[in-house]
Amino acid sequence: AQRVTQPEKLLSVFKGAPVELKCNYSYSGSPELFWYVQYSRQRLQLLLRHISRESIKGFTADLNKGETSFHLKKPFAQEEDSAMYYCALSLPAGGTSYGKLTFGQGTILTVHP
Amino acid sequence: ETGVTQSPTHLIKTRGQQVTLRCSSQSGHNTVSWYQQALGQGPQFIFQYYREEENGRGNFPPRFSGLQFPNYSSELNVNALELDDSALYLCASSLYGGGVGVYTFGSGTRLTVV
Repeated sequence: AQRVTQPEKLLSVFKGAPVELKCNYSYSGSPELFWYVQYSRQRLQLLLRHISRESIKGFTADLNKGETSFHLKKPFAQEEDSAMYYCALSLPAGGTSYGKLTFGQGTILTVHP
Repeated sequence: ETGVTQSPTHLIKTRGQQVTLRCSSQSGHNTVSWYQQALGQGPQFIFQYYREEENGRGNFPPRFSGLQFPNYSSELNVNALELDDSALYLCASSLYGGGVGVYTFGSGTRLTVV
């Protein structure tokens, strides 16, 4: 079965410092990977998808199939980036689990002033 | 455009009872998924509904069941509640074919089983 691992439960950085939230997955095929974010007192929301290859709020994530990783990066962290971040995986089309998201346990990012 | 609405926001039930949670999808969405989020954990997929039928199920027992209505709203029913069912239940809607994994989440229902 597929699995998503976020090794850091807590991550603290100072404003302006680079930040990297780690995500590793286990799946033998070609999954689709996502980062979801939950700001304080807000709902869980999609931050970015690997298939879009976009940068959202300065964040980027590269899918490394060799290392089965999808780390989230931002060169200069801002205080408003403080939130809970979840990495999630969806299986490719054709299976009964298509569209189902498997989430990691989440990483709480705190950006200090 | 309205988002995903869940009711109630909080609920306390006794072990062995039954509970029904409700969800209204975002306008234009036709698929509803339910997730269980235990404290300190990521959300876990319960099941997904599309065209009023179950369209995928996670590793949850049959006492977890659901419905989707013609207006795409949905219910999650849990029978014979157990203490371990205490969790935040999230509803997420999406447009089938509109992008895998692109969900709009509700704020959740916090269920406490005592």
